Amino acid sequence: AQRVTQPEKLLSVFKGAPVELKCNYSYSGSPELFWYVQYSRQRLQLLLRHISRESIKGFTADLNKGETSFHLKKPFAQEEDSAMYYCALERGNTPLVFGKGTRLSVIA
Amino acid sequence: GAGVSQSPSNKVTEKGKDVELRCDPISGHTALYWYRQSLGQGLEFLIYFQGNSAPDKSGLPSDRFSAERTGGSVSTLTIQRTQQEDSAVYLCASSLTSGHGSSYNEQFFGPGTRLTVL
Repeated sequence: AQRVTQPEKLLSVFKGAPVELKCNYSYSGSPELFWYVQYSRQRLQLLLRHISRESIKGFTADLNKGETSFHLKKPFAQEEDSAMYYCALERGNTPLVFGKGTRLSVIA
Repeated sequence: GAGVSQSPSNKVTEKGKDVELRCDPISGHTALYWYRQSLGQGLEFLIYFQGNSAPDKSGLPSDRFSAERTGGSVSTLTIQRTQQEDSAVYLCASSLTSGHGSSYNEQFFGPGTRLTVL
């Protein structure tokens, strides 16, 4: 079965410190992976997708098929990065499978 | 339109009552999704509509839940005989299309309906 695991419910880091939000997936096919973010009192929105290989708001994520991981990283956390982050997997023509989310809190 | 809209934004109901939640997707989006967001459970897929195809109902937790999409646009999620465990935020999303590897499958989410069952 397809599954997305985000092991940390809450991650607290100091401003300026590196941050890594972990995501592991289970899928036998060729995965397409995403990170979605929900800032306080805002809608859930796409942050980045692995096929784009881009950096958004300083965040990057690399798909590691050997480790079945898609960790989200940023070298220097900012207070405005505080939000709920969801990793998601797309499996063919079916809806996304989301992880349970990690709440990132950046402390000034 | 400006984005996906949902109504009502908040709904408080009594156990055993039926509720209807509405979603207006972005115009032209063929795919529409319903999710449930609750504390500790993350985002739970409920049902998915794609064009004129039969909906994927595999995520509906019980037969008390049903959804319709009329005219390929507006969708209504109905919960019959609500239970306290149905309390959650119900999110709707739409995408231009769906499909593996498509650059048009970004899902755009609505603001959600917060359902509280007393």
